[in-house]
Amino acid sequence: EVQLVESGGGLVQPGRSLRLSCAASGFTFDDYAMHWVRQAPGKGLEWVSGISWNSGMLVYADSVKGRFTVSRDNAKNSLYLQMNSLRAEDMALYYCAKDVKARGLINPTIDYWGQGTLVTVSS
Amino acid sequence: SSELTQDPAVSVALGQTVRITCQGDSLRSFFATWYQQKPGQAPVLVIYGRNDRPSGIPDRFSGSSSGNTASLTITGARAEDEADYYCASRDISGNSGNHVVIFGGGSKLTVL
Repeated sequence: EVQLVESGGGLVQPGRSLRLSCAASGFTFDDYAMHWVRQAPGKGLEWVSGISWNSGMLVYADSVKGRFTVSRDNAKNSLYLQMNSLRAEDMALYYCAKDVKARGLINPTIDYWGQGTLVTVSS
Repeated sequence: SSELTQDPAVSVALGQTVRITCQGDSLRSFFATWYQQKPGQAPVLVIYGRNDRPSGIPDRFSGSSSGNTASLTITGARAEDEADYYCASRDISGNSGNHVVIFGGGSKLTVL
């Protein structure tokens, strides 16, 4: 059974940093691209970042480029999102998500999602 | 990058057919992917590629595309189909040329 478990969310002041983690199990983690997708309270889904299976491609939404860094540790079956210079508009539930295609490009087809970790940005 | 536009609210009578649309320039080049999200739950993949359904998704869900518009059709809507529906697409970042992902704003489907 595929499981994605996010952690690391919490309350942080504007301008500070936070690192999210996602522990993956139930599939061959190093075969698949992974994504971070966020959802502000009462709002729609927003794709944040993607990383290819071998970390050769890292891509970001314009809204977080230069502030967020995605990474993965295939030996630990883990995905990370380092978030710096946080803003009020970054406040959201952050989902870790698995791409559907093995060893493919980062694409918008996600077949498994975690339950999310909530990031609150407030002074 | 470009945007995907969805009608914020769509309604359908129980048992009838409803089409949820998604418009955007990226859809001229890339297929849309469709997700269903119910309150308090993570999204669920319902349609991807030309018109593919993951296992477990009923065949009353189907996808199509024409020009810059993709559509999700639910034939014989059921009460449990009431949810938010999001389209997504690959897009090409103007700065880097990398492929990124964009989501539509979502359509809230009400089954009457």
